Amino acid sequence: EIVLTQSPDTLSLSPGERATLSCRASQSISSSYLAWYQQKPGQAPRLLIYGASSRATGIPDRISGSGSETDFTLTINRLEPEDSAVYYCQQYGSSPLVTFGGGTKVEIK
Amino acid sequence: QLQLQESGPGLVKPSETLSLTCTVSGGSISSSTYYWGWIRQPPGKGLEWIGNIVYNGSAYYSPSFKTRVTISLDTSKDQLSLKLSSVTAADTAVYYCAAEWVGFYHYMDVWGRGTTVIVSS
Repeated sequence: EIVLTQSPDTLSLSPGERATLSCRASQSISSSYLAWYQQKPGQAPRLLIYGASSRATGIPDRISGSGSETDFTLTINRLEPEDSAVYYCQQYGSSPLVTFGGGTKVEIK
Repeated sequence: QLQLQESGPGLVKPSETLSLTCTVSGGSISSSTYYWGWIRQPPGKGLEWIGNIVYNGSAYYSPSFKTRVTISLDTSKDQLSLKLSSVTAADTAVYYCAAEWVGFYHYMDVWGRGTTVIVSS
């Protein structure tokens, strides 16, 4: 079973700073099958990144994804108050077919 | 544009079966473009994938739920359903349906708003 471990649990940053979120897989996964989501309180998750580095429709270019095999990163440049949310990584392809990481909460000071 | 809407009882008694429906609009559930998935989120916790189903009715389940879950399609109504048996308080959660794009990539780009289910007597 593939486990996705996200770190840190919480990031507290000021507007304009850069957030770097990590997602580590317990074994190598295909970059094509690594996605990132943003979830705000009371809302459904929103797709940000698919294929490890491709932005979903309408996602600004200050949000980017990178990584391969077991180590993946979501970077949010020039943080804005609206970026306050929980961010999840997700993989597809190994049993269980779909796995989510535990999430990283980004707080804007 | 594709939209999903979950519905079903908000309160289920322990040991009973939780039954939810997700209605698809703006597209056809018979399309081969998407798999149709169920994901849940217990209060204050992260996302947990339950399973998905494809247009031909083949379903795939998380091992965590495999003995208790059934996902099915009603193509005449563009609906998918979730049945989870022998529920306990640990099944209290927000339940989401989502459209999973599966091909060279995999991602869930359309989600329902979610429906809250409380398991309590």
